[in-house]
Amino acid sequence: DAKTTQPPSMDCAEGRAANLPCNHSTISGNEYVYWYRQIHSQGPQYIIHGLKNNETNEMASLIITEDRKSSTLILPHATLRDTAVYYCIVRVAGKAAGNKLTFGGGTRVLVKP
Amino acid sequence: DAGVTQSPTHLIKTRGQQVTLRCSPKSGHDTVSWYQQALGQGPQFIFQYYEEEERQRGNFPDRFSGHQFPNYSSELNVNALLLGDSALYLCASSRGQGGGELFFGEGSRLTVL
Repeated sequence: DAKTTQPPSMDCAEGRAANLPCNHSTISGNEYVYWYRQIHSQGPQYIIHGLKNNETNEMASLIITEDRKSSTLILPHATLRDTAVYYCIVRVAGKAAGNKLTFGGGTRVLVKP
Repeated sequence: DAGVTQSPTHLIKTRGQQVTLRCSPKSGHDTVSWYQQALGQGPQFIFQYYEEEERQRGNFPDRFSGHQFPNYSSELNVNALLLGDSALYLCASSRGQGGGELFFGEGSRLTVL
């Protein structure tokens, strides 16, 4: 799986959009970008994933650059409950990949009132 | 719809002892993975079970073993406990292998004294 680089921490104002960057310059053509978050004392929670097109769901939007070497997770209106560690993960899909996720250090996001 | 449930939530063992952790996957899921999360770090993949067989394994010694039952529930066993085995043990489930969208439980926190 390609390596990802994320800033260790960032603050965000409640009600504002939070933009979380991730660098994955060695990503392969068949690797997807996944985002998970982990709220304190809970298990990780799946947020969104994409291959090369931008994706949006009820939780967030994922913007992947055209060269796919970086991506941004956008939380459109951050709330205090979005305070968590956010993990950007790159992996292939398919049976051979199994269910292995390689978690890095993630970005610790603190949403402030 | 119950999500992934794990037991026990907390336990304390001493060095050299053995421990068994249990996991019930989310309804409709047939694949279970186990992760170890040391304090302040991201989760590390231990292994994955599908159709009652270990299908994929991370870089963990043979002291870590598992089992999956016909009802898809799973156990993680750790023998000859070391102080370094102290961690949060997370179970994740999915429908089939290969997808990156995993549902995690709240974890079992193991303390080895």
